[in-house]
Amino acid sequence: QVQLQESGPGLVKPSETLSLTCSVSGGSIGAYYWSWVRQPPGKGLEWIGYIYYTGSTRYNPSLKSRVTMSVDTTKNQFSLNLNSVTAADTAVYYCSRGKSGSMYNFDSWGLGTLVTVSS
Amino acid sequence: DIQMTQSPSSLSASVGDRVTITCRASQSISTYLNWYQQKPGKDPKVLIYTTSSLQSGVPSRFSASGSGTDFTLTISGLQPEDFATYYCQQSYTTPPTFGQGTKVEIK
Repeated sequence: QVQLQESGPGLVKPSETLSLTCSVSGGSIGAYYWSWVRQPPGKGLEWIGYIYYTGSTRYNPSLKSRVTMSVDTTKNQFSLNLNSVTAADTAVYYCSRGKSGSMYNFDSWGLGTLVTVSS
Repeated sequence: DIQMTQSPSSLSASVGDRVTITCRASQSISTYLNWYQQKPGKDPKVLIYTTSSLQSGVPSRFSASGSGTDFTLTISGLQPEDFATYYCQQSYTTPPTFGQGTKVEIK
């Protein structure tokens, strides 16, 4: 049973960069698509982007100019950087796995981590 | 982006009730529609893939159908653990998008 765990600062200042890491255990990071999804407090879910284990990426056009993802297969981890953050980026950030054969069928999720953007 | 619209936004129901949630896509998504359940403070859990395929371990009281732009999720015989928020999500194209959610509350 694969498990995902997000980690990173819970507070980020406006205009700075939000950086999160997702650690994958109980399974290999290989041959899956790994996504970040966020949820502002009391609101719905927004897909941020995915990274394949090879390093290829695809981002939501609404965030593309500010997002960078990377993967470290030796550590079974992948990461999210979101720059120039504002209060609108305050959300619970989830990492998730795209089900084998379909990158957008999210079959495993981390517990999520709340990131607050505030000075 | 494809817009997903769920109705109702919330509903009140009793244990044992049959509950139906609808999801409409702004354009055809064939059968590329997933359903998730989220409880307060928890991560979403996938219930159903590709319109009607039940995720392993999900009770058979959950069922779903649809194609094109109109989809439904049905819970037959609501149980106490089913009170949660339900989201539909299209996996047809990038970016994948979610409905705004339907909160199922206890009557």
